[in-house]
Order: sequence, then C-alpha cells, then structure tokens
Amino acid sequence: NAGVTQTPKFRILKIGQSMTLQCAQDMNHNYMYWYRQDPGMGLKLIYYSVGAGITDKGEVPNGYNVSRSTTEDFPLRLELAAPSQTSVYFCASSYSEGGGETQYFGPGTRLLVL
Amino acid sequence: GQNIDQPTEMTATEGAIVQINCTYQTSGFNGLFWYQQHAGEAPTFLSYNVLDGLEEKGRFSSFLSRSKGYSYLLLKELQMKDSASYLCAVMDSNYQLIWGAGTKLIIKP
Repeated sequence: NAGVTQTPKFRILKIGQSMTLQCAQDMNHNYMYWYRQDPGMGLKLIYYSVGAGITDKGEVPNGYNVSRSTTEDFPLRLELAAPSQTSVYFCASSYSEGGGETQYFGPGTRLLVL
Repeated sequence: GQNIDQPTEMTATEGAIVQINCTYQTSGFNGLFWYQQHAGEAPTFLSYNVLDGLEEKGRFSSFLSRSKGYSYLLLKELQMKDSASYLCAVMDSNYQLIWGAGTKLIIKP
C-alpha cells in the first residue's frame, strides 16, 4: 500500500496563476480531507469529502475548490493564487469519521505564491 | 470559539521524561488525538483518548480529563529521534478535528 500520495512536493506560483494539487489514497477510505499548515498555527481544514460525489467546506474554503469523482482521488484546485495561500498543504484520509478513527496523512505539498 | 492550547516549545535531555500539556475548549467532544510530526514530514498518529484516564503505549502515554478540558502526552526514556513537533487535536461535535499549533520538542544529548 502506498497510503496517501500527493503531487507535486513543491511548487512556486505567480500571483493569479492556477494549479491543482493532486491527492490519492489506496486504502479504500471513504473520508478525505484537505488541510493547510502555516508556521505557528494549527492545521486548518479547507474541504472534506465523505464519499465519491460528496464534498463540503471546512474552516477556510475561500480561494479553493475540490471534486471527488472517485473514492481514490481528491484534487484541490487553486483558481487565482494569492500570497496568502503560501502554505504547506496536507491531504488526509480515514475510513469513517467516527470517534477514534485515525486520519492518515500524505507527505504534503509546499506552495509558494510570489 | 474553539481553542486548543499547548506550549510552543520544550527542551528535554536524552533518557529523561517529558510531559506535554494540552488544554481545550471546543463545541462538543468526540475524543482527543496526539500526532507526531517530524520537520518537513506529515503528521503521524500517536494516541487517542475518549474516556478519562491514562492510555499507555510503549514509551508514550496519554492522559485525559474531560471535566478539566485537559490532556497530556508523556514521553519516557527520550531518544534523539523523539525530536519533533507534537500536535494535540480534538474531534468536535461535527466530527471535525480542531488542531493545536503543536509543541516543538528539542532533545539534547
């Protein structure tokens, strides 16, 4: 099992450019999540999905979009990059949302917007 | 609002014991998690508490007091590889994780 994989590992964007951060999991997990992690701050939930075709906003969704066409894939789209979106982005997955259900994280994508 | 507090940084000596505290105020409670995150890497699961008391797992133990909104992670027989950030996260009433900013633990020889 590869677990949760993310591409790219690192990217530099110019203000106004767009990009898609890729995330895939091979654990047959129903739940998938996108977080951002800024220095000195806790992880913030951007979007999450409870299954193929179902997505919902988290705490900080503005400037991002997601889709979930398959159980395995959960891409995150940045339409018009802004310096405030400079961050480390983590994708995670879990089998369910129940108490005690562990979230497994991908290695992260480091994004710099200049 | 929802809030998770933990110390920003702690220093300890190899072979010693360290306790990392976490206090929380959240809307609802469905358990508390501790994750370890080495620099430049992803968080990895360490422990989960939903009932009051101590959960022991090898060199690591985690304690929870729901009435006090308080947890700690206890690391024994510290090793240099334990140098990492330790993240406290609470699952709220919507089953979403609310994360603390993390405690950076520095281990000195």
